Amino acid sequence: GQNIDQPTEMTATEGAIVQINCTYQTSGFNGLFWYQQHAGEAPTFLSYNVLDGLEEKGRFSSFLSRSKGYSYLLLKELQMKDSASYLCASLDSNYQLIWGAGTKLIIKP
Amino acid sequence: DTEVTQTPKHLVMGMTNKKSLKCEQHMGHRAMYWYKQKAKKPPELMFVYSYEKLSINESVPSRFSPECPNSSLLNLHLHALQPEDSALYLCASSQEPSGGANVLTFGAGSRLTVL
Repeated sequence: GQNIDQPTEMTATEGAIVQINCTYQTSGFNGLFWYQQHAGEAPTFLSYNVLDGLEEKGRFSSFLSRSKGYSYLLLKELQMKDSASYLCASLDSNYQLIWGAGTKLIIKP
Repeated sequence: DTEVTQTPKHLVMGMTNKKSLKCEQHMGHRAMYWYKQKAKKPPELMFVYSYEKLSINESVPSRFSPECPNSSLLNLHLHALQPEDSALYLCASSQEPSGGANVLTFGAGSRLTVL
């Protein structure tokens, strides 16, 4: 079957670093997306990885290991506005998105 | 314009009502999607339109009826819904239909409550 696993909830402190992990098992693989969703708002695109390695975009970085079926989203210099849910989604062999349930990130002062 | 606009933001309806959700984008995207999202759950794909034609229907009950009048508009007609259909309904668009790593642009959603 197809499965995406990510932690349900994480807590971190303002100014710190947090890593949100995602493991995936999908029929075929055409890349992995991370989206951010604030409560009551639309998901917004953060990153897309299809090759192994780390992609950095400002305070946010995303890592992929295809052999391990593993990705993480790294958030640095956390700000209160980073409190949101972070959704991991894998693109399968039919280019269909398989979504994880999301990780709710709580930032404390 | 880089937005997907959904109306209404909130909708309360009875099980015998007929209502519609609307979605609009002016980015020239050729694929449009309807997703359903329950609290603390990921979005569930309902329908995909590619070049204004229905390309994917994820076995959605017939009480949900999609319509794509033109390349910028997507509607979801609702009739005889059940309380368990209460959810956030998200519209999204992407530059091209499936077949590539298309980034989805989502609307803010329509929160539906069925009494």
